[in-house]
Amino acid sequence: SQQGEEDPQALSIQEGENATMNCSYKTSINNLQWYRQNSGRGLVHLILIRSNEREKHSGRLRVTLDTSKKSSSLLITASRAADTASYFCATGNSGAGSYQLTFGKGTKLSVIP
Amino acid sequence: DGGITQSPKYLFRKEGQNVTLSCEQNLNHDAMYWYRQDPGQGLRLIYYSQIVNDFQKGDIAEGYSVSREKKESFPLTVTSAQKNPTAFYLCASKEAVAAYEQYFGPGTRLTVT
Repeated sequence: SQQGEEDPQALSIQEGENATMNCSYKTSINNLQWYRQNSGRGLVHLILIRSNEREKHSGRLRVTLDTSKKSSSLLITASRAADTASYFCATGNSGAGSYQLTFGKGTKLSVIP
Repeated sequence: DGGITQSPKYLFRKEGQNVTLSCEQNLNHDAMYWYRQDPGQGLRLIYYSQIVNDFQKGDIAEGYSVSREKKESFPLTVTSAQKNPTAFYLCASKEAVAAYEQYFGPGTRLTVT
């Protein structure tokens, strides 16, 4: 079942601007991850934030997590044309002794040069 | 796309035929996964395997079968019982059952006519 829902579904910005994507989920989680997918390719892991963390940074990426609102946001600063891709949040849940991921539908980001 | 290979990249089949998608990893990862992605959608879990000779159904296993005879290989067979097999199929792996980050292959786009 899909738990994460990204917002907006699509986002178009100019190069150099910041891009913010949001993710909401329904049940309690162990962690939340963000992945990137270039068109027609596999997913690449970007960043993981644990349920006891509120904010995390990695290069131009900043992720926040609000477990009380069951939401997360991904901020990409100083965007580049190469950031054009779809971005998915995935919530980590433990079940049957294995940590599985449940993916949202993604935000399609277009960065215009 | 790391050490996970999927072949072929594009696959065409006639309705009623079974087809097997290949997934091989050289990362020495214990767990492997198969996901299905439809246009504009997130990933849905088909099957997963935590160890050799063991696998579990995911959310949409009907019409699919898998095997895990070797640690590095996790082939997926799309049977004629799958009502809508045309989709993008992604294989992933992770280091251990309790690990969080998943590594994805480049995907196979299956078209059934």
